[in-house]
Amino acid sequence: DSGVTQTPKHLITATGQRVTLRCSPRSGDLSVYWYQQSLDQGLQFLIQYYNGEERAKGNILERFSAQQFPDLHSELNLSSLELGDSALYFCASSPGTPMNTEAFFGQGTRLTVV
Amino acid sequence: KNQVEQSPQSLIILEGKNCTLQCNYTVSPFSNLRWYKQDTGRGPVSLTIMTFSENTKSNGRYTATLDADTKQSSLHITASQLSDSASYICVVSTGGYNKLIFGAGTRLAVHP
Repeated sequence: DSGVTQTPKHLITATGQRVTLRCSPRSGDLSVYWYQQSLDQGLQFLIQYYNGEERAKGNILERFSAQQFPDLHSELNLSSLELGDSALYFCASSPGTPMNTEAFFGQGTRLTVV
Repeated sequence: KNQVEQSPQSLIILEGKNCTLQCNYTVSPFSNLRWYKQDTGRGPVSLTIMTFSENTKSNGRYTATLDADTKQSSLHITASQLSDSASYICVVSTGGYNKLIFGAGTRLAVHP
């Protein structure tokens, strides 16, 4: 158990809908990262937050948004869903500083858009 | 452009054999390099993390090397086991806030 909790584990929804994925980081970790992994693909970095502020952005679509709350949990919002958004969405957390610290991954949310 | 490239894409070996996976990166600035193991449908799990000054680091049967001059790393697996079947991902960290650049991974299958 990495200490990073993601909910829900599975989500099935229709095209055009909106969903929210939730991530609770390890206790004390300030950085949260979101990744998308499509079938048989590598992990694609979406966005990183550090202590409530956005720190880095990857190839995140405009239909997607995220935020990190004062209690440090994070939510990834996906809207106007398309079939191609079906993927595993992973959250990871790390202390943030110093730099050479581990990032621990949750078990992911499997999103299926039908 | 920051990139991490891994080879081979996939590999099949027999149980008990050794293997070596490769990682080349063009990431700047460089903070550290990590190897992760990802079982199918599961989150990646860290195997090793190496900074600029470290040449080698071991974790049980896993040994990672880093050549910061040539920007290459390798992960050597000794006496493979069936449970080693997984994707192995090379990740380079850059910047002050630990931005992680992922390689596409090497998919390893260990057969009895």
